[in-house]
Amino acid sequence: EAQVTQNPRYLITVTGKKLTVTCSQNMNHEYMSWYRQDPGLGLRQIYYSMNVEVTDKGDVPEGYKVSRKEKRNFPLILESPSPNQTSLYFCASSLSRGSGNTIYFGEGSWLTVV
Amino acid sequence: SQQGEEDPQALSIQEGENATMNCSYKTSINNLQWYRQNSGRGLVHLILIRSNEREKHSGRLRVTLDTSKKSSSLLITASRAADTASYFCATDGGTGGFKTIFGAGTRLFVKA
Repeated sequence: EAQVTQNPRYLITVTGKKLTVTCSQNMNHEYMSWYRQDPGLGLRQIYYSMNVEVTDKGDVPEGYKVSRKEKRNFPLILESPSPNQTSLYFCASSLSRGSGNTIYFGEGSWLTVV
Repeated sequence: SQQGEEDPQALSIQEGENATMNCSYKTSINNLQWYRQNSGRGLVHLILIRSNEREKHSGRLRVTLDTSKKSSSLLITASRAADTASYFCATDGGTGGFKTIFGAGTRLFVKA
């Protein structure tokens, strides 16, 4: 079954404590990305990756890091989380970058920073 | 500002009625997609319509695209309680097809 799997699904952490949200896809997709979803603001792209070792900033990259060492994995790293990073996060993948591709989303990770 | 903007923001209908949601965008597009999101879950792709297409159907879904008005509509016929979700349009935001930008969504509530 085609899947994007992200973990953890729910996390409460404290300000400044580094955390990583993992993401894995089993569709051999080249393109992967991270979004955050906040009320009234819709989905905003944080970072994206067009292939292994190729990553770039999205619309709201501040406070986040990513890496793409393997094609299937694309972890999101919050080096020093702050309360304004409390949000619902989605990992997504598609065959390639173009807008004509279907985007597959993970189930989301609810992050609360206190 | 966001490329795709859905209208209305929220819609409440009775089971069996049709639901229509609209999406307007500002710049020329190559493709427009519609996604559905159940509360707090991941988005699921519903349908893609290309700029040279005017209408597409998928089951109870009908999507139209009017490039002259820069708008699209999603019609769900004979709605069911299980259709309760948020619906998002996504366009390439005038990026030549290189980026997908999501609107803020329409929240649909179907009463049983």
